[in-house]
Amino acid sequence: SQQGEEDPQALSIQEGENATMNCSYKTSINNLQWYRQNSGRGLVHLILIRSNEREKHSGRLRVTLDTSKKSSSLLITASRAADTASYFCATDPTSGTYKYIFGTGTRLKVLA
Amino acid sequence: EAQVTQNPRYLITVTGKKLTVTCSQNMNHEYMSWYRQDPGLGLRQIYYSMNVEVTDKGDVPEGYKVSRKEKRNFPLILESPSPNQTSLYFCASSLDGSGRTNTGELFFGEGSRLTVL
Repeated sequence: SQQGEEDPQALSIQEGENATMNCSYKTSINNLQWYRQNSGRGLVHLILIRSNEREKHSGRLRVTLDTSKKSSSLLITASRAADTASYFCATDPTSGTYKYIFGTGTRLKVLA
Repeated sequence: EAQVTQNPRYLITVTGKKLTVTCSQNMNHEYMSWYRQDPGLGLRQIYYSMNVEVTDKGDVPEGYKVSRKEKRNFPLILESPSPNQTSLYFCASSLDGSGRTNTGELFFGEGSRLTVL
């Protein structure tokens, strides 16, 4: 079963605007990761946030994690056309099965 | 260059004709995994391997087999492919299968698009 559900499913913004996408999950986790996928290509790791962290930054990316609500958000600031891609969250459940569980993704389109 | 290599990248086959999708990584990773990606369903895990000779089922293992005889290779075998196995397949690897002791980053191959007629 899918652990992560991203919201929205699709997002279209103008270049320079910020893009926010959310991920909700169902069970306790050790960490949550965000990945990016350009159309039909392999996924690329963006950032990992551990369950004892609340916020993390990497360049134009800001990730938050709220374990009480079982949710995470990814903020991309000052979006560029090159940010157009699908974004997935992936969780590492505490059940210890070493099975990353991916959500269904948010398709982001940044208009130049 | 650190990479995960899958072959073939594209394949059209017919129902029942056995096929193997190869996956190789050059990063000395312990953990390897196969996923399939279907529209609206995201990535679903098929099988994973924590180390040589250690494999376990993911969420959708039916109709697939894997083996891990060497650390670097993790082939996906479809003994008797069916049309519902038409999908985009990804192989991935990471140091130890979690982010508990390291970045936990999964490295993905470029994908294998399989069509079963």
